[in-house]
Amino acid sequence: AQTVTQSQPEMSVQEAETVTLSCTYDTSESDYYLFWYKQPPSRQMILVIRQEAYKQQNATENRFSVNFQKAAKSFSLKISDSQLGDAAMYFCAYRLGGTSYGKLTFGQGTILTVHP
Amino acid sequence: DAGVIQSPRHEVTEMGQEVTLRCKPISGHDYLFWYRQTMMRGLELLIYFNNNVPIDDSGMPEDRFSAKMPNASFSTLKIQPSEPRDSAVYFCASSFAGVATEKLFFGSGTQLSVL
Repeated sequence: AQTVTQSQPEMSVQEAETVTLSCTYDTSESDYYLFWYKQPPSRQMILVIRQEAYKQQNATENRFSVNFQKAAKSFSLKISDSQLGDAAMYFCAYRLGGTSYGKLTFGQGTILTVHP
Repeated sequence: DAGVIQSPRHEVTEMGQEVTLRCKPISGHDYLFWYRQTMMRGLELLIYFNNNVPIDDSGMPEDRFSAKMPNASFSTLKIQPSEPRDSAVYFCASSFAGVATEKLFFGSGTQLSVL
């Protein structure tokens, strides 16, 4: 079974600074997708960024970017120019390719605090 | 669109009672998912539907749990009888397979407390 591990239960960053959240995963498959979701205090999960395993180029979405290291099975999230609204719990997630649409395996989450 | 709507937002019940959680997906979405979040197990998929048909219920923990989707705009997750270990936040999410970004839209969840 696939597993997703987030080794940082909590992280903190100063406003306007950069922070990187770590994620590793374990799979024997070659076709899969990786995601970062954000869960603010409102509880509603929000997609931050998505990466297809077959793409070598790292995904970026405005201030959010990933460092996808397929051989190392690592998928870290970098948040640049951190804002107070970035404070939330962040989850890394994995999905097997093919017909497993939407079947996500989540990591345990990292709580991000942003200091003004 | 109002997004995925779940009700109730909070539910407190006593052990042995029946609990029904409700979800209204975003109009036009063809996938619906039920996830559960606990401190011990994190977020885990319980069941999902495609075009109102249950596709994979392997995450449903026990026969006490059941889910239905009678039409494209409504789904329920029922626990009967409820137990204290069922206490968790239950999320409903919907998605449209035609979207390249494969974005799941989550509701705000139902916080269930079984006493």
